[in-house]
Amino acid sequence: DAGVTQSPTHLIKTRGQHVTLRCSPISGHKSVSWYQQVLGQGPQFIFQYYEKEERGRGNFPDRFSARQFPNYSSELNVNALLLGDSALYLCASSLGGARLGNEQFFGPGTRLTVL
Amino acid sequence: KQEVTQIPAALSVPEGENLVLNCSFTDSAIYNLQWFRQDPGKGLTSLLLIQSSQREQTSGRLNASLDKSSGRSTLYIAASQPGDSATYLCAVSSTSGTYKYIFGTGTRLKVLA
Repeated sequence: DAGVTQSPTHLIKTRGQHVTLRCSPISGHKSVSWYQQVLGQGPQFIFQYYEKEERGRGNFPDRFSARQFPNYSSELNVNALLLGDSALYLCASSLGGARLGNEQFFGPGTRLTVL
Repeated sequence: KQEVTQIPAALSVPEGENLVLNCSFTDSAIYNLQWFRQDPGKGLTSLLLIQSSQREQTSGRLNASLDKSSGRSTLYIAASQPGDSATYLCAVSSTSGTYKYIFGTGTRLKVLA
């Protein structure tokens, strides 16, 4: 079975542009979470979606948004990119919402560079 | 506000040593704690998940313990190998307020051959 997949692998954008990152969870998993990891730091929680509804949100500006589709895949959108948005964006999937204590499995990430 | 701290930030040991990585958290209201390893520029690999009702979990040479009341978890690695070199991260899922999953900053481990 395929693990969590993310696309694209790498992305270069300029300030002010918009970006869409995509994630496909492990088959059978209904929850997807998004994280931002800046070099040298631990991942920062952005969103969690479970059964197509937002179940959790971290301390990120409204420029960040996400959605989950009926097939449980997910998109993370970032508007008006800033230099500080350059990071590794990680997606994780789990069977259910985290309140069920489910183990999270991570994808390889999308490396975003904002120039 | 939940804060997760990992000590030490970096560790270098000779091959074959047993070692302990520490993770502490400020709010004991958690659903679970999970340990990960991360190789440079890569995603995270799950190592062990401990539910809030559990005290420890074991997988091969790895053993993780959880003391919720004191806000501590340890990851014990037996007979370390050069292939264990990576950054080790712990994360807790909080039951306070809306759902959040909080990571520590990690321990960068280097095992010398």
